[in-house]
Amino acid sequence: GENVEQHPSTLSVQEGDSAVIKCTYSDSASNYFPWYKQELGKRPQLIIDIRSNVGEKKDQRIAVTLNKTAKHFSLHITETQPEDSAVYFCAANFGNEKLTFGTGTRLTIIP
Amino acid sequence: GAVVSQHPSWVICKSGTSVKIECRSLDFQATTMFWYRQFPKQSLMLMATSNEGSKATYEQGVEKDKFLINHASLTLSTLTVTSAHPEDSSFYICSARDRQLAGASYEQYFGPGTRLTVT
Repeated sequence: GENVEQHPSTLSVQEGDSAVIKCTYSDSASNYFPWYKQELGKRPQLIIDIRSNVGEKKDQRIAVTLNKTAKHFSLHITETQPEDSAVYFCAANFGNEKLTFGTGTRLTIIP
Repeated sequence: GAVVSQHPSWVICKSGTSVKIECRSLDFQATTMFWYRQFPKQSLMLMATSNEGSKATYEQGVEKDKFLINHASLTLSTLTVTSAHPEDSSFYICSARDRQLAGASYEQYFGPGTRLTVT
């Protein structure tokens, strides 16, 4: 099946600085790569996603880049704020519609 | 739009009993519903995929006789944990894909989760 690796597992960033989280996937047929933010005890919240026909996508302070040749994609958060503190998961689809999630990154924004 | 609900939000049951969790798409019809399990400080693990009117497809290592899934309509899927044991204690989350967007979007809409504690 699909394997998705995510790094780092924890990340502390000074408020206002940027945070980068990286993921690699194994299935070359994957073509959908969402990123989720999850707060404790809550549902995963989609923050941005990218399809394989696009190399980069941006939404205000959040951007995702995809390198399909190398099979890796990254989440970039700029001008971080305390409310960005959460666990972030990357995911990749396999078998067309099923998602495999990365292991998660606990992001802490230091005021 | 695209709201998914789960009921109950939390449940405590005794070892050996069964627990049913409901997942509903409130404002759309779901082409496919998914059930995930998430242990503390871990990632979401896909348990099974279900489509209305057909048998669920279980991921490797998930016991289909223990985790019964019924997908009776385009807006409702249920997960029954049978003969629950303490090791089944977890956060169970469902998600659904919008039938109308199925051809254009892979997005899954997640329910708020159900925290199951087996004593």
